Amino acid sequence: DAKTTQPNSMESNEEEPVHLPCNHSTISGTDYIHWYRQLPSQGPEYVIHGLTSNVNNRMASLAIAEDRKSSTLILHRATLRDAAVYYCILRDAQETSGSRLTFGEGTQLTVNP
Amino acid sequence: EPEVTQTPSHQVTQMGQEVILRCVPISNHLYFYWYRQILGQKVEFLVSFYNNEISEKSEIFDDQFSVERPDGSNFTLKIRSTKLEDSAMYFCASRPGVGVWGTDTQYFGPGTRLTVL
Repeated sequence: DAKTTQPNSMESNEEEPVHLPCNHSTISGTDYIHWYRQLPSQGPEYVIHGLTSNVNNRMASLAIAEDRKSSTLILHRATLRDAAVYYCILRDAQETSGSRLTFGEGTQLTVNP
Repeated sequence: EPEVTQTPSHQVTQMGQEVILRCVPISNHLYFYWYRQILGQKVEFLVSFYNNEISEKSEIFDDQFSVERPDGSNFTLKIRSTKLEDSAMYFCASRPGVGVWGTDTQYFGPGTRLTVL
C-alpha cells in the first residue's frame, strides 16, 4: 500500500468541526482512500472511503483534493465520543490478494468538553 | 447490526503454553483476518484467510502461529508456544468479499488481550 502521512495529534472542542488531513503524494490511480478510527480500548472501525469525488456518510465527510495527493476527513460536530486515533489508509483496487490493511501511526484526536 | 465477536476478552498464560483465540466473523463474510497491536504501537497485520486457506501472511506470522476455520462460524488463531513478546491485543476482522476491490470494508472485533507471563 502507498504511504500516507498524518499529523501525530490534533485537538478540537466539542460541537466544533474537525478537519483531519492526510497526505498521500504517491497515490496511484487505482488507490481508494479509506479512513478508519480506533476508539480507546476498541478495535479499529471503518469511517469512510472514496476515490475521486467527495463523499458523505452518517459519520463523516471525506474531501479529496483534485490531484488526489491529499484528503481531509471532516467531522462536522465533534463529540467526546469522537476522541480516537484516526487512520488514513490507501487500498489498491487492483490488489487481488488478501487485501491487508496497513496501519500507520494515525492522528490522535482529543476532543475537549 | 451484525458484528465480529471475540473470546476471551482477556487471556493470561505462561510462557511456552499454547493459546487459542477465538473469533466469530460476520456470518456472510468470506475473508477473515487477524491483526495484533502491542501496547502503544501500531496495529499490525498477521494473516488473511479465504476459502479455507491462508491467502496472505506477514513476517510476524511464523511457524508458531496457525489459523483455522473449524466450522461454519468460528475462526481461530493458535499460538503454539507463547513468548513474552506475544503479549498484545489481537483483533479479528472480516469483510464481505464482494464488490470492487479496494472498496472493501473490514469489520473488526473488540479484541482479545493476551498477557504472557
